[in-house]
Amino acid sequence: DQQVKQNSPSLSVQEGRISILNCDYTNSMFDYFLWYKKYPAEGPTFLISISSIKDKNEDGRFTVFLNKSAKHLSLHIVPSQPGDSAVYFCAASPQGAQKLVFGQGTRLTINP
Amino acid sequence: KAGVTQTPRYLIKTRGQQVTLSCSPISGHRSVSWYQQTPGQGLQFLFEYFSETQRNKGNFPGRFSGRQFSNSRSEMNVSTLELGDSALYLCATASGAGVEEQFFGPGTRLTVL
Repeated sequence: DQQVKQNSPSLSVQEGRISILNCDYTNSMFDYFLWYKKYPAEGPTFLISISSIKDKNEDGRFTVFLNKSAKHLSLHIVPSQPGDSAVYFCAASPQGAQKLVFGQGTRLTINP
Repeated sequence: KAGVTQTPRYLIKTRGQQVTLSCSPISGHRSVSWYQQTPGQGLQFLFEYFSETQRNKGNFPGRFSGRQFSNSRSEMNVSTLELGDSALYLCATASGAGVEEQFFGPGTRLTVL
């Protein structure tokens, strides 16, 4: 039972354009959402998070949008840079629990 | 501030053996979580410890166990290893004050032959 889904295994974007990564979840008890970036042979690196009481959070080039009614969140990267090429995971945390449920990841490739 | 450290980084074992992995959290972090990453299942939560107590547990068999020491360092143990236990084992730490981002270590790559 995949509670957090990233339906696109890969995404290719031209340098300078916007990258949009999507994530859907099924569990209404999730109230905190995070995006992580992962390079091969390294642990995931935290990028940005959003609480369920908000619908948008920005940090530099990264913006996360949360649509609770659709149980959908997205990560926007503007402008995309070659160093952004990595696997991106969305994760969700149930209410009050220090426990992350991860999606399967989306491999983002930024082309020069 | 030093990051999360995990030892060893690589490990090769044979079926039936047991293994112990170690995680040292970021200074001041009292919550330590363990995750298993495999190509087929992705990143899956194993368990979380806070102040030497297991607070949360994932859906893994009893062969997977862990503990946390008074200095917040944590170990996880896998007994009677199976081929399917081959994976990257990741440790993540947080202050534990509430729901917050977790910071991951580089992982231990376990290969079971």
